[in-house]
Amino acid sequence: KNQVEQSPQSLIILEGKNCTLQCNYTVSPFSNLRWYKQDTGRGPVSLTIMTFSENTKSNGRYTATLDADTKQSSLHITASQLSDSASYICVVIDSYGNKLVFGAGTILRVKS
Amino acid sequence: DTGVSQDPRHKITKRGQNVTFRCDPISEHNRLYWYRQTLGQGPEFLTYFQNEAQLEKSRLLSDRFSAERPKGSFSTLEIQRTEQGDSAMYLCASSMSGRSYEQYFGPGTRLTVT
Repeated sequence: KNQVEQSPQSLIILEGKNCTLQCNYTVSPFSNLRWYKQDTGRGPVSLTIMTFSENTKSNGRYTATLDADTKQSSLHITASQLSDSASYICVVIDSYGNKLVFGAGTILRVKS
Repeated sequence: DTGVSQDPRHKITKRGQNVTFRCDPISEHNRLYWYRQTLGQGPEFLTYFQNEAQLEKSRLLSDRFSAERPKGSFSTLEIQRTEQGDSAMYLCASSMSGRSYEQYFGPGTRLTVT
């Protein structure tokens, strides 16, 4: 069973709209949680990094939240743009910082 | 330094052939990681090096797979006697050591085994 579960699996929204992606994890203990954006055929690029003591972290139009008690995180994208079309991957780093456990990702498509 | 680079970007090979991929990390990074990603899935950890030492290998890394980082700089990942199930994107990442340091990913090598 994957230790990081993401939902929805895919999502289509209109340009300019907001959306929220979900991540549930069971990795424990962990040192930090990250959201990555992966364009098709490219390597993942980090959007946000949160330690277990942080609740919210923003990076431009991206806002990530973390509830370490319920082991849930979300990524909110505001005023979506066509260039936001990508796979968004939730990643939990173990407490030793050595290994990243990846979710399967949410494929987001922004339509004009 | 423009980041992590991987070569080749694409490789098509016939089943049973050997292939070797190269990764050049960010120069000051002492850790280097290999991941495998299949379509619709997130990357899966294969192995990582700190300097030239290979510190951990996943169970996914069968005997046909071998990785080296001989001088603590670039790394190679070799797959012997390739199988169709080896078809995937192979990603390399590098970082400084320590839990707070971010891993920077290369563009990946797409392997297709026919």
